[in-house]
Amino acid sequence: EPEVTQTPSHQVTQMGQEVILRCVPISNHLYFYWYRQILGQKVEFLVSFYNNEISEKSEIFDDQFSVERPDGSNFTLKIRSTKLEDSAMYFCASSDPTGPNYGYTFGSGTRLTVV
Amino acid sequence: AQSVTQLDSQVPVFEEAPVELRCNYSSSVSVYLFWYVQYPNQGLQLLLKYLSGSTLVKGINGFEAEFNKSQTSFHLRKPSVHISDTAEYFCAVRSYTGNQFYFGTGTSLTVIP
Repeated sequence: EPEVTQTPSHQVTQMGQEVILRCVPISNHLYFYWYRQILGQKVEFLVSFYNNEISEKSEIFDDQFSVERPDGSNFTLKIRSTKLEDSAMYFCASSDPTGPNYGYTFGSGTRLTVV
Repeated sequence: AQSVTQLDSQVPVFEEAPVELRCNYSSSVSVYLFWYVQYPNQGLQLLLKYLSGSTLVKGINGFEAEFNKSQTSFHLRKPSVHISDTAEYFCAVRSYTGNQFYFGTGTSLTVIP
């Protein structure tokens, strides 16, 4: 079964440093997403990406965040200057264009720890 | 906007006993409903979804859920749990026209031998 792959599984970074979280969506999917889950809290939507541009973003997705599809397979989330409160599990997801949830698949997540 | 409430943060249950995990939602528009499971150190896996039709939906691993529009609920049930069902369970909604999911805070199910 096709999977959404995220790397690394765990990343530790110092406050103020830039981090890039990487995702390989399912190959025929056209919509890509990032969600995050702060420990003990709900999974929250960050951003959706379609046709090489952001289609929707939440209030959480401020100027320190950016997304990119640098090539035909990767989808990245960059945090420019990390803060302690950015520590969370970040989930990538992708979906196909044919229906509301058909093929909406989450990756296994990257646990980001900011120290 | 939509919101999801999972009333129980932790549910311990003995092996082979039945379990119900509760989910209520709030939305001004029509929504699709989902349950996801997260096993330790793994991603979110779709258990089941309600899109339309019969309000009782069956998912993987013997789970089922019933959509109740009047009570805006989508409770998850399993008649007999197994040790391997120990995991975090998330209820989520998504509007007919939107792309993003709204998740509840999750329920940690622990099956006791």
